[in-house]
Amino acid sequence: GAVVSQHPSRVICKSGTSVKIECRSLDFQATTMFWYRQFPKQSLMLMATSNEGSKATYEQGVEKDKFLINHASLTLSTLTVTSAHPEDSSFYICSAAWGIDQPQHFGDGTRLSIL
Amino acid sequence: KQEVTQIPAALSVPEGENLVLNCSFTDSAIYNLQWFRQDPGKGLTSLLLIQSSQREQTSGRLNASLDKSSGRSTLYIAASQPGDSATYLCAVSRVGSARQLTFGSGTQLTVLP
Repeated sequence: GAVVSQHPSRVICKSGTSVKIECRSLDFQATTMFWYRQFPKQSLMLMATSNEGSKATYEQGVEKDKFLINHASLTLSTLTVTSAHPEDSSFYICSAAWGIDQPQHFGDGTRLSIL
Repeated sequence: KQEVTQIPAALSVPEGENLVLNCSFTDSAIYNLQWFRQDPGKGLTSLLLIQSSQREQTSGRLNASLDKSSGRSTLYIAASQPGDSATYLCAVSRVGSARQLTFGSGTQLTVLP
């Protein structure tokens, strides 16, 4: 089946640090990747949608300068949390789809903790 | 704006019981509905996907139904096992942007041995 790898699985860093999270589709070409954020015992909230080779589309309320998304190839998208603060601590999950009308396949998530 | 609600938020049952998880959505103009499983600290595993034109899907001990007109879906788990313990999420995708999902907050299921 389709495999999506997300790295790192856990990050602990100091306030003010920028953190990069990678999302890779290992055995298929992902035309679209999605980034979600999940707070404890809450649902996944879509942050942004990225299509290969174009700018990401951010959901309302998500700061594009805070959460930088790059989707430079059909197998890799990155999310950079710039100048992270404790309120950015959360569980971030990516997903990838290989074509329109195709289901999303999810990575295992990244637990980000900002001290 | 689509809103997805899941009831109950948590459920604990003894092993072997059949159980039903509920999902409701406010906008019936959906493309499809999916049920996912999430283990603690992990990503999502897709269990069942129901297209808007379908009424139900089955996989092993799982059966999901969809009633678009009433904005409801159920996930039926037969003969529950401790390994079924996880959080179950339902999500609907929008018409016109089929791949964007709106998630419910999940039902945390515990199956007691």
